[in-house]
Amino acid sequence: QLQLQESGPGLVKPSETLSLTCTVSGGSISSSNYYWGWIRQSPGKGLEWMGTVSYSGSTYYNPSLKSRLTISVDTSKNHFSLKVDSLTAADTAVYFCARSRSSWLNWFDPWGQGTLVTVSS
Amino acid sequence: DIQMTQSPSSLSASVGDRVTITCRASQSISRYLDWYQQKPGKAPNLLIYATSTLQRGVPSRFSGSGSGTDFTLTISSLQPEDFATYYCQQSYSSPLTFGGGTKVEIK
Repeated sequence: QLQLQESGPGLVKPSETLSLTCTVSGGSISSSNYYWGWIRQSPGKGLEWMGTVSYSGSTYYNPSLKSRLTISVDTSKNHFSLKVDSLTAADTAVYFCARSRSSWLNWFDPWGQGTLVTVSS
Repeated sequence: DIQMTQSPSSLSASVGDRVTITCRASQSISRYLDWYQQKPGKAPNLLIYATSTLQRGVPSRFSGSGSGTDFTLTISSLQPEDFATYYCQQSYSSPLTFGGGTKVEIK
């Protein structure tokens, strides 16, 4: 059974960069049939798709966040990563990683449990 | 961006009730509409994709319908484990967007 697990700091300072990793277990991240995404959830903005990466490293970003995002994949470690630059309090949210099938324009299943990130000095 | 509007934002219902949640897209999304259930402190869980296809393991009391801009999620007979928040998502175009959620509470 495929499982995803987010990891990273729970507290980050404003203006700094957030780095999160999603480790995939129970399956390979290298399948050409799957894409790997990041979604965040905050009280103010609800669920927000941030971006998606393919096993080959092709990336697809939400235009509203694109200038601050980098999503990458490391097939040797079976994980993918998210970096968000220039953090503000508005980036405080629970960050989820998830898989989509066949296309980056698709539903997400399964999801990781999520990790809370607070942006505060 | 395609805006997804859910209604109601919350509802109270009793076990055994039939519950219907509506999701409206700001433009046509064909049948590229998915539904998730989320319980407190947990990740969203896929219930239905492509408007009406039940994800494996999801009880048959859940069903979805619609096309174009108007979609519904129906729970035919609400069970205690169904009290949760439900979200729709469009997978028609970028950026992928979600509805604001419908919280189903115990009456």
